[in-house]
Amino acid sequence: QQQVKQSPQSLIVQKGGISIINCAYENTAFDYFPWYQQFPGKGPALLIAIRPDVSEKKEGRFTISFNKSAKQFSLHIMDSQPGDSATYFCAASTKTDSWGKFQFGAGTQVVVTP
Amino acid sequence: NAGVMQNPRHLVRRRGQEARLRCSPMKGHSHVYWYRQLPEEGLKFMVYLQKENIIDESGMPKERFSAEFPKEGPSILRIQQVVRGDSAAYFCASRTGTGELFFGEGSRLTVL
Repeated sequence: QQQVKQSPQSLIVQKGGISIINCAYENTAFDYFPWYQQFPGKGPALLIAIRPDVSEKKEGRFTISFNKSAKQFSLHIMDSQPGDSATYFCAASTKTDSWGKFQFGAGTQVVVTP
Repeated sequence: NAGVMQNPRHLVRRRGQEARLRCSPMKGHSHVYWYRQLPEEGLKFMVYLQKENIIDESGMPKERFSAEFPKEGPSILRIQQVVRGDSAAYFCASRTGTGELFFGEGSRLTVL
């Protein structure tokens, strides 16, 4: 049972465009929501993370939007670049789980065309 | 400061053999996690260890799988009597007490 549902499965965007990836969850005990970026043959790397006490967090071209009432959060990649082509995973964890024990979404493969 | 080191990067086993995957956490990190990634799926938590202790193994299959993190040396994920369904990428991650989780590059197991 997937506790964090991620969509779309794949995404093609032109250079300079906006990539949007959505995640939804059911467990209201989740209180930490990171996004990971994974390149082929590599391990996931933390991109940006948010806690539910804020509705938006921005780091450079990457923004997380968080809607607590809808139990949804999304990643926006502004001015997408070919180097952003990767698989992106959303994740969630609770206070009672150990720090580092995450429920991951299934991933979104993003391809940025030149 | 070297990252999380996993070896082997690729491992091929026949059904019924044993697979041993090793993980050396980043220097100063005493918390180790193992995750499994099946093709076209996200990562699934398997086990969380601190030195000499298994803290949370709620994601580990009940049979054939075991993990350890001895006082000296790397953490080991051991899969006995492998089956085709064990074919996956196995990722190790480590952290300090409250720090960010860093992942290794994974060990890709193929069971023939």
